[in-house]
Formats: sequence, structure tokens, C-alpha cells
Amino acid sequence: AQTVTQSQPEMSVQEAETVTLSCTYDTSESDYYLFWYKQPPSRQMILVIRQEAYKQQNATENRFSVNFQKAAKSFSLKISDSQLGDAAMYFCAYKGGTYKYIFGTGTRLKVLA
Amino acid sequence: EAGVVQSPRYKIIEKKQPVAFWCNPISGHNTLYWYLQNLGQGPELLIRYENEEAVDDSQLPKDRFSAERLKGVDSTLKIQPAELGDSAVYLCASSLDLGLANTGELFFGEGSRLTVL
Repeated sequence: AQTVTQSQPEMSVQEAETVTLSCTYDTSESDYYLFWYKQPPSRQMILVIRQEAYKQQNATENRFSVNFQKAAKSFSLKISDSQLGDAAMYFCAYKGGTYKYIFGTGTRLKVLA
Repeated sequence: EAGVVQSPRYKIIEKKQPVAFWCNPISGHNTLYWYLQNLGQGPELLIRYENEEAVDDSQLPKDRFSAERLKGVDSTLKIQPAELGDSAVYLCASSLDLGLANTGELFFGEGSRLTVL
């Protein structure tokens, strides 16, 4: 069975600085998607960034980028120039061929002014 | 374009009472999900619909939970009777699954927070 592990329950970053959130996963599948979702307090969860496993190039979305290491089964999220609005729970998620999403336990990101 | 709409946002009930949650997905999305999210945890799948068919309900506690998506559009999740341990946020999500063209993105509602006293 697939698993997703986020080992950092909470992280803090100074405004304008860079922070990296870690995620590891386990799977025997070769084709899958990996995602980072953001859940602000009392607000809906939204997609931050997506990575297709067959793509070697790391995905980037403005200030957000990933470091995808397929062999190591690692998928970290880097947030550059952190802003107060980045404060939220961040969930790493895996989606394989069964259409079932597996979410990690989340990392709470605090942004310090 | 309207997002995924859920109601009610908050519900407080006594244990053993019934409760129902409603979800209206994004128009045209064929796949609908109900997730359970406990405090400080990630979402856990309860049931997944493809159109009106429940294709994955293995994690749904069928002795007290039921769900329906009669016309393949909106959906209702019911708990009867509710137990103290059911206190959580119930999230609805939808996606447009088009096989190879599937982007995989889930669109979530704001959730329904249930408190069982």
C-alpha cells in the first residue's frame, strides 16, 4: 500500500525568507502524481503545485518549487520570498492508478513578520 | 465559476442524533469525494463517486454512515446515530477525470465541522 510521510509537524520562517517542507512516500507504482495542497485556517484546501512522476523536470509555480527525487521517493516543497499569506497547513499527497489520493499528516507553516 | 459548495459549515448535535451534510461539486465534475479530516491530520477518504456510482466506499463505516449521489451531481453524507468520535471536519471534493487527460487536481469545499456532545 502507498504511504505518504511528512515528518515536520510545524515549521517557521521569517517573512521574505525561504523554507523547505519535506515529504517522502512509498509506492511500487511507476506512474503517479504528487501534489502539495495548502489549507489556510478555516478555509478550503487549494492546490499549490503538482508533479507528474514521469517528468524529470521539477515543477515550479511562481514562488513555489519542488525537489522531486524519484529514486529516493522524496518530494519537498520550497517556498521562496515567504509571505504572511503563506501561513497554513501544507499537505503532501500521492495519487496513483487507482484514483485514490493518499495525504500526509500535514506541516503547519508559520510566517513571522 | 462557483466552487465546491458544502452545507452546513458547522453543526453541533447530541450523541445518538442523526446529521446530514450536503455537497454540490463544480459543474461538470464527474468524480466526487467525501473525506474525513480529524484535527491535525490529513484527509482520509470515506467514499468516492464516479457520476452516480460509488466506486470506492471501503473506508465508509456502513453501520452508521450512508451517502448518495442520485443524479450524479450533488451528494449527501448521513450519519445515524452520531457518536462522540465522529466529531471532525467532513470535506467534499470534486474532480474532472478524463482518463489520460486527467490532471489529478482535487477541488475542495470549505468543509462541514461536526461537534458531537
